[in-house]
Amino acid sequence: EIVLTQSPATLSLSPGERATLSCRASQSVSSYLAWYQQKPGQAPRLLIYDASNRATGIPARFSGSGSGTDFTLTISSLEPEDFAVYYCQQRSNWPLVTFGGGTKVEIK
Amino acid sequence: EVQLVETGGGLIQPGGSLRLSCAASGFIVSNTYISWVRQAPGKGLEWVSIIYSGGSTYYADSVKGRFTISRDNSKNTLFLQMNRLRAEDTAVYYCARVLDYGGNLYWYFDLWGRGTLVTVSS
Repeated sequence: EIVLTQSPATLSLSPGERATLSCRASQSVSSYLAWYQQKPGQAPRLLIYDASNRATGIPARFSGSGSGTDFTLTISSLEPEDFAVYYCQQRSNWPLVTFGGGTKVEIK
Repeated sequence: EVQLVETGGGLIQPGGSLRLSCAASGFIVSNTYISWVRQAPGKGLEWVSIIYSGGSTYYADSVKGRFTISRDNSKNTLFLQMNRLRAEDTAVYYCARVLDYGGNLYWYFDLWGRGTLVTVSS
C-alpha cells in the first residue's frame, strides 16, 4: 500500500497569507496525485488532479506541483472560505487509491 | 441537478448487517465508475470499494469478504451491503464518482454525496 504523509498537521495563518501544504508518498506515484478540500459537515471537494491541474470551477489561487514522491498544494492568498482540511490522494495503483491524513488550515 | 444522495445509515450492533444506498441523478450510474469512501469520526478518508461501469468490483482489504457493492440500473442507484460489522466500521460513508474527462478516467473523485453515518456499537 502506498502511504501518503501530509505536513504540517495544522497550519495557522491569517487571511491574505500564502499557504503551502506538503504531501509525501512512500514510493513514487508519478504525477498521479490529487488534492481535496473538506469543510466541517461537508463532503470533500476536488481541487487539483494529476498534481497540477485545477478541477472545474476551482479558483486560480489554488495551485499544485510536484512529481514522484513530493507534492505541494499552494494557496496564494487565503480567503476566509479557504480555512478547511485538505487531503491528498494518489491513484498510482488504482483502483486501490489511498488518501493522506490531512492538513488543517486554521485562522491564526 | 447532478448529485449523489446516500441513505441507510444508523446504529447497528457489532456483527450486524446494514445496506447503504446511493441514489444518483443527472447522470447514469451504469456508465460511470463509483466508489464508496468512508471517514471515521475525526479521522481521514479511507477508500472502501468501487464498481466499474462494466460491473467489476474491488474492495479494500479491511472490508473484503464482509462488504458487497452492487447497483440497480433501473433505479440508477448504488448499494453497499455491509455484513459482520465491527466497531472500526463506524464512519460516515460517502459515495463518490470517478472523474471522467471525455472518456478518460482519472481515478479521482469529482462528485460526492453528503454521506450517511454508520455507528457500530452495542
